Amino acid sequence: IMLTQSPATLSVTPGESISLSCRASQSISTNLHWYQQKPNESPRVLIKYASQSISGIPSRFSGSGSGTDFTLNINRVEPEDFSVYYCQQSNSWPLTFGSGTKLEIK
Amino acid sequence: QVQLKESGPGLVQPSQTLSLTCTVSGFSLMDYSVHWVRQPPGKGLEWMGRMKYDGDTYYNSALKSRLSISRDTSKSQVFLKMNSLQTEDTAIYYCTRDVGYYFDYWGQGVMVTVSS
Repeated sequence: IMLTQSPATLSVTPGESISLSCRASQSISTNLHWYQQKPNESPRVLIKYASQSISGIPSRFSGSGSGTDFTLNINRVEPEDFSVYYCQQSNSWPLTFGSGTKLEIK
Repeated sequence: QVQLKESGPGLVQPSQTLSLTCTVSGFSLMDYSVHWVRQPPGKGLEWMGRMKYDGDTYYNSALKSRLSISRDTSKSQVFLKMNSLQTEDTAIYYCTRDVGYYFDYWGQGVMVTVSS
C-alpha cells in the first residue's frame, strides 16, 4: 500500500493552524499512524489509528480520516513543531510509510 | 524504563554482510514484537522486518532474499543480518517496539555506510 503525503514542504508562521494530508492507494480503514521526526532524532508517535491520542503528546496534535484519506492537524503551531511528519499504515504487509511532509518556518 | 539500543559496524564493504544487534531493556521480547526500520540519509523511512513476540518473523518482500532477523531472549537481543550489501543500503538502521502495529519506542539508530 502506497501512502502519498502532501504537501512535501509546508512553510508556516508559528501560531498558525495547519493540516497535513496522507492518502492511501487503497482503503486501510483507520490503520494509520502519525510520527514526528526532528533532525538527528528518532521518530516519535503522535497519533495512533487515525485519530487516537497518545499519552504525553500535546493536545494541539489531532488526527482524522478513514479509508484512503487522512489528516494530521496541528492547532497553533509551536516553534518546536518544525520537523518532518510521516504517516504509516498497518492495514497490510508490508508496513509502509509515507514520504514525509517537512514543516518549516516561514 | 523502556530502552532499545542498536549496535554494529559503521562501515561495511560492498557485497559483504551487515550484522546489527538491538539490545532492549524495560520489557520482554516474549511480550512485545520488535521491528527494524531504516532511513537513507535525507530520505524517508523503510520498514524492513519484524521479530514477533512468539518468535515468528516477517520480512519486507523487497529485502526478503537478503534479510534475516533472529533473537536471543535470554540476552534481550534481536539481531539483523543482511547480505550482499550495496551502496543503496547506506542508512540509519533503527529497531523499534511494536504496540499494535505502530511503534512507541525507538532506538537511537546506528548509521551504516556501505563503501570500499
